[in-house]
Amino acid sequence: AQKVTQTQTSISVVEKTTVTMDCVYETRDSSYFLFWYKQTASGEIVFLIRQDSYKKENATVGHYSLNFQKPKSSIGLIITATQIEDSAVYFCAMREGPYTGYQNFYFGKGTSLTVIP
Amino acid sequence: GGIITQTPKFLIGQEGQKLTLKCQQNFNHDTMYWYRQDSGKGLRLIYYSITENDLQKGDLSEGYDASREKKSSFSLTVTSAQKNEMAVFLCASSPTNSGNTLYFGEGSRLIVV
Repeated sequence: AQKVTQTQTSISVVEKTTVTMDCVYETRDSSYFLFWYKQTASGEIVFLIRQDSYKKENATVGHYSLNFQKPKSSIGLIITATQIEDSAVYFCAMREGPYTGYQNFYFGKGTSLTVIP
Repeated sequence: GGIITQTPKFLIGQEGQKLTLKCQQNFNHDTMYWYRQDSGKGLRLIYYSITENDLQKGDLSEGYDASREKKSSFSLTVTSAQKNEMAVFLCASSPTNSGNTLYFGEGSRLIVV
């Protein structure tokens, strides 16, 4: 069974609007970390934002923010005021077992975002 | 800052051939990873290593070997290349401390002829 699921394969939005990308995860750990990454057309993968499971406040970095709903095992990525250069594939990931040395990251299949002028 | 360097960027080989990808990082990170990316399937873990000479199998380890002889380097060998495993292979590293993100290399594309 997949541990991280992104159900939206692709999304198109008009520039300067807001977009939300969905992600649900599955874990038995009481403490874990959730990440969003961006893969550009060149193939480069960069880290965007992180949510610690024990924090109630949603993380925010620049025009990226998260909608963390722990009871639903859901971590949505919100991009406000989208720009053309936000067009990319976005991956959701989960890191389990931070205190046991277990280092595996689980990735979703990605959501392709196209921002239209 | 630091960088992860993967070589070669394109690896072309014949079916059945043994092929090796190399990865170097200068972050001084403890943990290194090899992921395979197929179109539409996201990233799947092949091997990871939490320290020098350590190897841990991921979900996709069959058909691959890995080697971590130094902290800074992690190599991946395709033991017998097949046409259905043409993909992009991504090396990544991370500090051991909880919550730290992955840092990725630029990827190596495997082409089997």
